[in-house]
Amino acid sequence: EDKVVQSPLSLVVHEGDTVTLNCSYEVTNFRSLLWYKQEKKAPTFLFMLTSSGIEKKSGRLSSILDKKELFSILNITATQTGDSAIYLCAGYNNAGNMLTFGGGTRLMVKP
Amino acid sequence: DGGITQSPKYLFRKEGQNVTLSCEQNLNHDAMYWYRQDPGQGLRLIYYSQIVNDFQKGDIAEGYSVSREKKESFPLTVTSAQKNPTAFYLCATWDRSNEKLFFGSGTQLSVL
Repeated sequence: EDKVVQSPLSLVVHEGDTVTLNCSYEVTNFRSLLWYKQEKKAPTFLFMLTSSGIEKKSGRLSSILDKKELFSILNITATQTGDSAIYLCAGYNNAGNMLTFGGGTRLMVKP
Repeated sequence: DGGITQSPKYLFRKEGQNVTLSCEQNLNHDAMYWYRQDPGQGLRLIYYSQIVNDFQKGDIAEGYSVSREKKESFPLTVTSAQKNPTAFYLCATWDRSNEKLFFGSGTQLSVL
């Protein structure tokens, strides 16, 4: 059974802080690792990672995958209150064509 | 506009009642999924379908049923056997070309 574990469960920081969110995975026929941000209802796509060691960036957010150690991190620099959300990572099983999600990290950014 | 439409946004279920959540997509994606989300938690897979007339159980299928008679539609029925149905339900489709999961806006189900 595929398994994805995120840490920490929750995090409270102040605006301007830098945060690192962790995601470890055990996914058979692993193809990719996806990150999503969920503010209210539907999660929105952030990154899709398939190759080790190649950082993906979007503004203040960046993410990297380590396929040897089976984990990924999501970094957010200079956090803003608008970054407050649940961050979800998911491992994609190419054979079963299914994603397994972790339990999420709830980030709260205080002014 | 292309997308995934879930309805209703809010649904209330009485004891012993079956209810059906609708999910319709016009993205022409083959694979569709149902996830359950409890407050402050991640997503757990209920059922998924890779193609019309085929579907598989996910991790928490007990008390739920689905059908996939059309490519566009993947309704989820929450049966009376599901004793703790209160949760947020998300429908999603898989974009094989871009390897992304797209989500509907969800249905919040509560028990009266």
